[in-house]
Amino acid sequence: KAGVTQTPRYLIKTRGQQVTLSCSPISGHRSVSWYQQTPGQGLQFLFEYFSETQRNKGNFPGRFSGRQFSNSRSEMNVSTLELGDSALYLCASSGVSGGGETQYFGPGTRLLVL
Amino acid sequence: AQSVSQHNHHVILSEAASLELGCNYSYGGTVNLFWYVQYPGQHLQLLLKYFSGDPLVKGIKGFEAEFIKSKFSFNLRKPSVQWSDTAEYFCAVTGLTGGGNKLTFGTGTQLKVEL
Repeated sequence: KAGVTQTPRYLIKTRGQQVTLSCSPISGHRSVSWYQQTPGQGLQFLFEYFSETQRNKGNFPGRFSGRQFSNSRSEMNVSTLELGDSALYLCASSGVSGGGETQYFGPGTRLLVL
Repeated sequence: AQSVSQHNHHVILSEAASLELGCNYSYGGTVNLFWYVQYPGQHLQLLLKYFSGDPLVKGIKGFEAEFIKSKFSFNLRKPSVQWSDTAEYFCAVTGLTGGGNKLTFGTGTQLKVEL
């Protein structure tokens, strides 16, 4: 099976702009989660979508939003970008195996806000 | 708040040395436990996972981990490391209160294996 794919891989934006990142999960996986990775804060959970519904949400401001489509593909959007939003954004899709749900990660989108 | 702790932030070992990386979590309920690895320039990959059953789990590349419920620990071990094991290792937990499928990660351990 193909792994989780994310596009674009790299983005440069300026403060105040908005950005949309895309994630295609592993075939058959219905859950998609998003994480932010920074050197200072580490890996932090943004939100999870399952069957087009947000199932869980982390402690990020409302500028961070997401959605999931009927084919399980997901997008996340960040509006009014701030310098501190520079990070690696990781998408993970999960499926049940071995008695529980396991998340598999994509390569990430590296966002630089200038 | 529930949290995951990795006590070793940087570890330097010589090839063939044994490895043990510590991981503790703060929640006393039912949890699922994972170790992920991030090789330089690569994405997070699953090393191993624990849901239930035998507390000693084996993963890829010769890694294993032991779940000790009484100590809230899930330490990662490898008897003999190789230069190619140089990477950052993350312990992660799901099932923490209110978290559902949310992975809570430790801060990571940067492992450097010297020839």
